[in-house]
Amino acid sequence: EAQVTQNPRYLITVTGKKLTVTCSQNMNHEYMSWYRQDPGLGLRQIYYSMNVEVTDKGDVPEGYKVSRKEKRNFPLILESPSPNQTSLYFCASRVLGSYNSPLHFGNGTRLTVT
Amino acid sequence: AQTVTQSQPEMSVQEAETVTLSCTYDTSESDYYLFWYKQPPSRQMILVIRQEAYKQQNATENRFSVNFQKAAKSFSLKISDSQLGDAAMYFCAFGNFGNEKLTFGTGTRLTIIP
Repeated sequence: EAQVTQNPRYLITVTGKKLTVTCSQNMNHEYMSWYRQDPGLGLRQIYYSMNVEVTDKGDVPEGYKVSRKEKRNFPLILESPSPNQTSLYFCASRVLGSYNSPLHFGNGTRLTVT
Repeated sequence: AQTVTQSQPEMSVQEAETVTLSCTYDTSESDYYLFWYKQPPSRQMILVIRQEAYKQQNATENRFSVNFQKAAKSFSLKISDSQLGDAAMYFCAFGNFGNEKLTFGTGTRLTIIP
């Protein structure tokens, strides 16, 4: 089954404790992206990647890191989480250059930073 | 930068009735594409319908249809014969050729009244 898999689904952590949210897709998509969803703000892009070893900042990259060492994986790293990073996070992928192809989303990770 | 505006934070409709969710966007591009995504309580992001700007014909998917007004930069979603399973948050999203990013609106929460 074609899918984007995110883990964990829920995560509670404390301020400053490094964490990684994993994302993997099995559709051979070049493009992958991370979004955060906050009430009243919709989905905002954090980082994106157009291929292996190619990443770039989205609209809200501060406090986050990503890496793309393999085509299928695109982990999101919070090196020193803070309470304002409490949010719902989505990983998504799509075919690059196929302009009407939709984003395929993971099931989301609910992160709480205390 | 493109912006997407959903002016209705919440909407409600009687079961079996028709409801229209509004979306406007701002862009200087002539070629672009638009999506509606549905997010039920399970928080999955599900593609509802897509529209390419060059197509004059409004997209339709079963009970879901759009009213695409390019000159007015408007992209509303009409849900006919509303069902309980349509209850969700609905997001409008904009993408343009040459830029792989999708820009999302802030969402409209739709409640179905039995």
